[in-house]
Amino acid sequence: DTGVSQDPRHKITKRGQNVTFRCDPISEHNRLYWYRQTLGQGPEFLTYFQNEAQLEKSRLLSDRFSAERPKGSFSTLEIQRTEQGDSAMYLCASRKGPRSPLHFGNGTRLTVT
Amino acid sequence: AQSVAQPEDQVNVAEGNPLTVKCTYSVSGNPYLFWYVQYPNRGLQFLLKYITGDNLVKGSYGFEAEFNKSQTSFHLKKPSALVSDSALYFCAVRDPNDYKLSFGAGTTVTVRA
Repeated sequence: DTGVSQDPRHKITKRGQNVTFRCDPISEHNRLYWYRQTLGQGPEFLTYFQNEAQLEKSRLLSDRFSAERPKGSFSTLEIQRTEQGDSAMYLCASRKGPRSPLHFGNGTRLTVT
Repeated sequence: AQSVAQPEDQVNVAEGNPLTVKCTYSVSGNPYLFWYVQYPNRGLQFLLKYITGDNLVKGSYGFEAEFNKSQTSFHLKKPSALVSDSALYFCAVRDPNDYKLSFGAGTTVTVRA
């Protein structure tokens, strides 16, 4: 169990640019989540995958956000035309079964200037 | 809809004293409840969970939590706090019929030597 891995750890980008983050879940976990966390707040749900199927998307996820999990293993989260309000920590998590806890990566901190 | 309330933004205790972090929840069915801890610039680490069974659950690092259905509470406790317990603590709830885990806003715990 090597844990959930996220890359990059930090990303600074200019407003209007596109960014892509990667998440590698724990290998036997077929359920994968993306959350967003801003300073002083708890994580907010963005989207959920079971294997390669994206089963739920939050209304927080505007059309500028897209997530994929093409082979049911790693996942990517892309933000197009970034805005300053997108600055946050983006957390990926995975879990094995219906009663299992989420295991989180260390996150990608995005700063939009 | 499911939600979590952590009524205290901050909890301050002296090392060696008991620590309690409060959590109440709202969910339509029987809840799955979790506690996580977060250190600066890191992801969330799982501490313990309640799914079913004994109302008192024990977790990592000497923490425990008591599920109280009538009060819809799931308070986190540690009999003797350590300075190293200083961190941000999140309570979370999931309806078994839902995919996503909903988090509270977090409680910052400071344990003074």
